[in-house]
Parts: sequence; C-alpha cells; structure tokens
Amino acid sequence: SQQGEEDPQALSIQEGENATMNCSYKTSINNLQWYRQNSGRGLVHLILIRSNEREKHSGRLRVTLDTSKKSSSLLITASRAADTASYFCARYGNKLVFGAGTILRVKS
Amino acid sequence: GAVVSQHPSWVICKSGTSVKIECRSLDFQATTMFWYRQFPKQSLMLMATSNEGSKATYEQGVEKDKFLINHASLTLSTLTVTSAHPEDSSFYICSARAEGARNTEAFFGQGTRLTVV
Repeated sequence: SQQGEEDPQALSIQEGENATMNCSYKTSINNLQWYRQNSGRGLVHLILIRSNEREKHSGRLRVTLDTSKKSSSLLITASRAADTASYFCARYGNKLVFGAGTILRVKS
Repeated sequence: GAVVSQHPSWVICKSGTSVKIECRSLDFQATTMFWYRQFPKQSLMLMATSNEGSKATYEQGVEKDKFLINHASLTLSTLTVTSAHPEDSSFYICSARAEGARNTEAFFGQGTRLTVV
C-alpha cells in the first residue's frame, strides 16, 4: 500500500483546543510535507520539513519530525471552526506519497 | 509560490468515451509531474510519475493503457482516461516539480472532478 499510517483517522475537538495528528512512514525521505484539504477540493500546502530538521513552526502550526522513529506530528494550537478539514502528510523520497489522512472537525 | 493550472475543473462524460485532463506549470519548468486519483473520503493515490520527454512510470495496479500520460513539454502534461466507465469517476489532481527542486514543496493543480455516466 502507498499509504503509511496516519492517526487518528478522525478527530473531533472543541474550538480553542489543540489538535495533534501523527504520521508514520517506512522508507527514507528527503522531506515530509503536510497538506490540508477541504471537502474533496484542492490541496493547501501547510509546512515542509526537511529530513535534517526536527521541528518547524508556522503560525498556529507546529510540525515535528523524528527520522529515527520515521514519524512526524502536526500540532494545531487554539483550533478554530475554520480548521475543520482533512489533513494529510506526504513523504518525499523520489516521489510524493500521501498518508491516509486525518479528518479534523472543530466544533464551535 | 509557483502556479499549476489544471483543466478542466470538472467534466461529465458518457461511458465509453475518453477524457483528457491537462496540467500546466505556468511560471516554471516542470521536469516531473505526478498524477493522483482520490475517491470520496479517501486519500490521494499516486497513479504515475510523468517525466518530460520519456515514458511515464505507473504505480502498481494502474493500467497504463487506460490512463495515458503524455509529458511532451516542460510546462504541460496530460492524462487521458480512455474508454471511461462509471468506476473511473473520481477526483484527479496533478502535481509539478521543477528541475532540481527535490527539497521544496510540490505544487498542485486545482483538481478535476470526473463523473462518468
């Protein structure tokens, strides 16, 4: 299967809470990217973290990468209803392969 | 960021006909383009990797004679779904990578929603 593991599959939280999504992979990577997708529409690029980086921030987003464990996490702090979407990690070795995704629902 | 334009954004076709989807990089030269398919409530599945001037590399389980990919120039790749059937109805999305840009974000088209009736 192309898709590595991503958990949780679905996450429902209250507005203002933090949301954490995890991604694991099996092969070596050049970088790992996180994307958001609203209702089956186009993808929005969130963050790219290179294999030699351990943590990256962008606004309310924080991404970590542990290459020894072959895992990454995306933390969204102070979530908003507008953050409701599907979130995917995508691993870049010689091609960009997406994880199964996490469906996030933020209730107002 | 770089712009990738995908056309059409949606298409409805009759069963048995062929549909062509275009993916253009508007402001950079894309030596490699990736084609994905996404079924409802599922993730993006890589179908094939398209390299300019050479044959596309298809992922396991993807029929190359059904999904024809042509990458004739550094700014255009096309995916043709031949003899489309209702089970081919899906969201198709392309991604382009510039030459030498291995460690930068991928740029995605807006996607094409194909409905075969």
